[in-house]
Amino acid sequence: DAKTTQPPSMDCAEGRAANLPCNHSTISGNEYVYWYRQIHSQGPQYIIHGLKNNETNEMASLIITEDRKSSTLILPHATLRDTAVYYCIVRVSTSDNNTDKLIFGTGTRLQVFP
Amino acid sequence: KAGVTQTPRYLIKTRGQQVTLSCSPISGHRSVSWYQQTPGQGLQFLFEYFSETQRNKGNFPGRFSGRQFSNSRSEMNVSTLELGDSALYLCASSFWSEETQYFGPGTRLLVL
Repeated sequence: DAKTTQPPSMDCAEGRAANLPCNHSTISGNEYVYWYRQIHSQGPQYIIHGLKNNETNEMASLIITEDRKSSTLILPHATLRDTAVYYCIVRVSTSDNNTDKLIFGTGTRLQVFP
Repeated sequence: KAGVTQTPRYLIKTRGQQVTLSCSPISGHRSVSWYQQTPGQGLQFLFEYFSETQRNKGNFPGRFSGRQFSNSRSEMNVSTLELGDSALYLCASSFWSEETQYFGPGTRLLVL
């Protein structure tokens, strides 16, 4: 089962910031938070990941709460092309044979409107 | 650097047939994972290969199998196809097993 909970859908006006929340209350100390998005019928696209510090790259920012039980993906200036399903995934980063897989939940369907 | 490529992109088969899908990882990546995506079950992990060895396997029947070659290219095979095997099959590669996975465009399989 997925270890994350996300709202099923969100809307965002073009040009505004899109803030996508994710709850991962059972996260362990060595588990990373990953974000992917999937535009209809395409392969998931990697966005960003983090362990405990906030992260930023050219696509988005990731804010992780101090207790690491939740995080927020921020798309600073959403465009119509950002319309997609966004998946928040908790992934263990160890050499344990049972941890090298991504367990996808149902994600958040973000609709960016003009 | 080229991304993950999957062939074929689309495939139509009939029940009882078998199918082989191919995945070429990003150059230098040694880990390849396979996922199945259906409207009802979402994205589900099938298996992962690293250095030609299966390291991890999801909860799928034995009809689903895979292998990895010395150049890290991977194939997955589904035997005795069922209607429920209709899905988007996704391949993802990473440098090491624990590193970020990058997905290919997928192979859409339709079983009639």
